[in-house]
Amino acid sequence: QQQVKQSPQSLIVQKGGISIINCAYENTAFDYFPWYQQFPGKGPALLIAIRPDVSEKKEGRFTISFNKSAKQFSLHIMDSQPGDSATYFCAASPTGTYKYIFGTGTRLKVLA
Amino acid sequence: NAGVTQTPKFQVLKTGQSMTLQCAQDMNHEYMSWYRQDPGMGLRLIHYSVGAGITDQGEVPNGYNVSRSTTEDFPLRLLSAAPSQTSVYFCASSYDPGQSYEQYFGPGTRLTVT
Repeated sequence: QQQVKQSPQSLIVQKGGISIINCAYENTAFDYFPWYQQFPGKGPALLIAIRPDVSEKKEGRFTISFNKSAKQFSLHIMDSQPGDSATYFCAASPTGTYKYIFGTGTRLKVLA
Repeated sequence: NAGVTQTPKFQVLKTGQSMTLQCAQDMNHEYMSWYRQDPGMGLRLIHYSVGAGITDQGEVPNGYNVSRSTTEDFPLRLLSAAPSQTSVYFCASSYDPGQSYEQYFGPGTRLTVT
């Protein structure tokens, strides 16, 4: 059963726009929330990650917003570029385990 | 460093055949794992290992075996391939995900079972 729900499935954004991808989780014992970026034919690569004691983390154009009470976290891509076109996965790691539970992915297309 | 390498890149099997997907890393990572990626399903954990000689099951372990005789290698064995095992398989490694370190993924193996 999927414990991390990701939306939307696909997203089309104009160049320079803001891309927003959302994830919700059920297990309150998660303690690490990474976002992975995957280009066609490649393996996923870590983009940015956050712990639940922080409400926001920013790295360049990428920001994670985290709402612990709502059990939701989101990825914001500012000034989206065609090179950002990829599939994005959120994930969550249960405390004290070696397991990552991934969302179902969002295919982002940024139009030039 | 080569990072995480996987072989083969592509494989076609007939139902009932067995095969081993190879995974190796040269980063001296203790933790290694296998995922499968299916459309609309994200990545699902098959098996993982926290060090040489230690393995455990993930979310979807049925039909797969693993072993970890060295730190570098973590092969995944399909015992009797079924069409439901058609998927893209990714191997990943990490220093210690208990400390929330990054997982490094290999390039994947695309497997088709006919």
